[in-house]
Parts: sequence; C-alpha cells; structure tokens
Amino acid sequence: LAKTTQPISMDSYEGQEVNITCSHNNIATNDYITWYQQFPSQGPRFIIQGYKTKVTNEVASLFIPADRKSSTLSLPRVSLSDTAVYYCLVGYAGNNRKLIWGLGTSLAVNP
Amino acid sequence: DSGVTQTPKHLITATGQRVTLRCSPRSGDLSVYWYQQSLDQGLQFLIQYYNGEERAKGNILERFSAQQFPDLHSELNLSSLELGDSALYFCASSAEMTSDLYNEQFFGPGTRLTVL
Repeated sequence: LAKTTQPISMDSYEGQEVNITCSHNNIATNDYITWYQQFPSQGPRFIIQGYKTKVTNEVASLFIPADRKSSTLSLPRVSLSDTAVYYCLVGYAGNNRKLIWGLGTSLAVNP
Repeated sequence: DSGVTQTPKHLITATGQRVTLRCSPRSGDLSVYWYQQSLDQGLQFLIQYYNGEERAKGNILERFSAQQFPDLHSELNLSSLELGDSALYFCASSAEMTSDLYNEQFFGPGTRLTVL
C-alpha cells in the first residue's frame, strides 16, 4: 500500500534554506509528487509538482532522485511567513487513481 | 481567495444527527474533492467527483456520502454523527483533467463541524 512519510516538525531561522524530505518507497511509475502549504485555519495551497529530477518555480524547488523513492522540497531563504505545515502528496489520476497525502511537516521559522 | 466557497462555515450538532456540507467549485472547474482534517491530524482524502461522477475514493466512511450536481456544486452528507466526526472539512476543486496528472487543487475555507 502506498504511503508517504515526512518528519513531524522542523525548526529553522530566517534567511536559511530549508529542505523537507518525503519518503514514498512504494511510489508507482505513473505517480506524480506534489507539495502543499497550509496555514492555520486555512485550506492547503499548492507549492510545486514534479515527476523526476528537479523542478523549480518562484517559491521553491523540488528534487526527485532517479529511484523516486523520496522527494525533497527546498525553500530558499525562509522568512517568518513561511511558518506553516507542508504536505507531500503522491497521486495518479489515470486508471487505479489515488491520492496519498503525508501527515505534514510543521515548519517553524524563528527570528 | 481561492474561488472555492463552502457553507456553512461552522456547524454544531449532536451525535446521531445528519448534516450536509456544501461546496461551490471555482468557475470552470469540473473536479471536486472532499477532505477531512481532525484536530492535529493531517488531511484525509475522502472522495473526488469529476463532472458529476465519482472518480476516486479515499477513506470515506459508509455513513458519509457525496454527490456533484449538474451545476457542478457538491454536497457531502454526514449521517449518524459521532463525536469523532468533529473536524474541519475541506472542499477543493481543480480544472478539467486532460492527462493522468492531478492538477493543482484549490481549497475552500473549510467547514468546521462540532459534534456534541
């Protein structure tokens, strides 16, 4: 059964780079990896999505090794406003579709 | 503002009762997803509808059901409510799927259900 595993919490300081790793050992060939950010009492918000290698957008980078059994969300130069819960999601929308969410990583950014 | 609306914002009810949560997706989005988030818990995917038809099922209890109407709004029905059903229920929508990729989901503000 597919499962995603993330650290429960992480601490960082303003200006540092933060890397959050998600383990998805049973990822299937067609699965995509997506990361969401959630602030208290709000719905999650899409950050980035990828299939393999590296994807970068204006807010984050996503690193996926060749075996795809893990992925790392990289947040460059975090600020206090990046304090949130970050979710890893493994999903496939074709036949035998599925959406497997991790339990989330609570990131605390300190001054 | 994601463009997804959910009503009501808060709902307080008693055990054994039945409630209906409503979701209106973003204009043009055909997919609607329902999630449950209990206190200090992660997101539990319940069910997805695409253009009126059930498309994917997660950890949805038999006491729960959902549907998507022709105007694309969706309702989640929760019956025989138990204390453990108290949670934040999110609806999300996404654009038409043209591939096997799950498109970006836009989440509503959620409905906070309290079962006493």
